[in-house]
Amino acid sequence: GAGVSQSPSNKVTEKGKDVELRCDPISGHTALYWYRQRLGQGLEFLIYFQGNSAPDKSGLPSDRFSAERTGESVSTLTIQRTQQEDSAVYLCASTPSSQETQYFGPGTRLLVL
Amino acid sequence: EDQVTQSPEALRLQEGESSSLNCSYTVSGLRGLFWYRQDPGKGPEFLFTLYSAGEEKEKERLKATLTKKESFLHITAPKPEDSATYLCAVQDSGGSNYKLTFGKGTLLTVNP
Repeated sequence: GAGVSQSPSNKVTEKGKDVELRCDPISGHTALYWYRQRLGQGLEFLIYFQGNSAPDKSGLPSDRFSAERTGESVSTLTIQRTQQEDSAVYLCASTPSSQETQYFGPGTRLLVL
Repeated sequence: EDQVTQSPEALRLQEGESSSLNCSYTVSGLRGLFWYRQDPGKGPEFLFTLYSAGEEKEKERLKATLTKKESFLHITAPKPEDSATYLCAVQDSGGSNYKLTFGKGTLLTVNP
């Protein structure tokens, strides 16, 4: 079946601009996660959704980062006033429930110039 | 705070040369330890979940083992297509039992 999809696959933006990253989870998966992978670093947890509520936003690096989810479907991660340190791969994962194996999408590669 | 350390950072093998990757972890209570494979430009691909010390799982040339402090990913007679970054992650059994804490990965290169 279809896996997790993310768009765009690549995004180049200028410092100070806002960007939106999209994640389409596997159909029927109620839990959704965003992670960030910076060059040479491990994946960092950003935020977790159970349905359309976000019980844990503790990993969001600053108030420039926000995320929302529509029902048990698409999620959008928004970064406002992008900075060069935001350059990274942003990965989305989904699971049928919160404690099962997380299946990842291909990621969005963000470059802030 | 959960911590995961993977070693070595990079490993270069000749085709057929078996070896092991290490994942050391610190967690208050382990719910699961996960191994993923990541190819360049792609997202992590799930390989194994291990839940308790002594558990082993195998898939083709890969075998994962778990102790109370570390996990090993054994690669037997590797082929060039096994070249990838291998990621280890832990999920704790406490209040944050939904998120994964990852190591930095081991970059494996298998030369023909």
